[in-house]
Amino acid sequence: DGGITQSPKYLFRKEGQNVTLSCEQNLNHDAMYWYRQDPGQGLRLIYYSQIVNDFQKGDIAEGYSVSREKKESFPLTVTSAQKNPTAFYLCASSVTGTNTGELFFGEGSRLTVL
Amino acid sequence: QQQVKQSPQSLIVQKGGISIINCAYENTAFDYFPWYQQFPGKGPALLIAIRPDVSEKKEGRFTISFNKSAKQFSLHIMDSQPGDSATYFCAASIRWSAGNNRKLIWGLGTSLAVNP
Repeated sequence: DGGITQSPKYLFRKEGQNVTLSCEQNLNHDAMYWYRQDPGQGLRLIYYSQIVNDFQKGDIAEGYSVSREKKESFPLTVTSAQKNPTAFYLCASSVTGTNTGELFFGEGSRLTVL
Repeated sequence: QQQVKQSPQSLIVQKGGISIINCAYENTAFDYFPWYQQFPGKGPALLIAIRPDVSEKKEGRFTISFNKSAKQFSLHIMDSQPGDSATYFCAASIRWSAGNNRKLIWGLGTSLAVNP
């Protein structure tokens, strides 16, 4: 079945450690996104990529990094520079050039920094 | 001008009642208004969507009402069920200035609880 797979689902890390969250999609979508979700704050865009080997900062990119070496994959690294990394992270993808821009989401990764 | 304001933040409804969630926007360049539903521990999923040239769209128990002149739209859930308990996000879509893609501007979400 087509979809977006995020891993791990839960992750615990010590303060100061970098962590990488995986996102893989088999929907053949060109565009991929990373969102951060905190209670009461909705979904905030971290990074997005419209095509392989290209990505742009979203609204809250500081302390995060991404790569887009393959169409199917868009990993997110939460670096030690991110001051408050504990959150629920959502990866999404979409077809480009549509009139809707519907997003398809993975099931999320919950990161807890101890 | 890029904001989408959503209310209420939380909502409790009795089974069989009507749940109503409201959203408002400013930017008239928005041309597509989706609602996403998110269950705990899951990612959001598209529930229903509307374009500004339509005043109402109904899919089963879910209806979007759209008021273009007031720049407001709302989600109505008729005969609300405990299984509808989730967080609902409204959003507004606009074509990105660069590239052939669109950007979604999100409301902050409404946590709906339907009591049995």
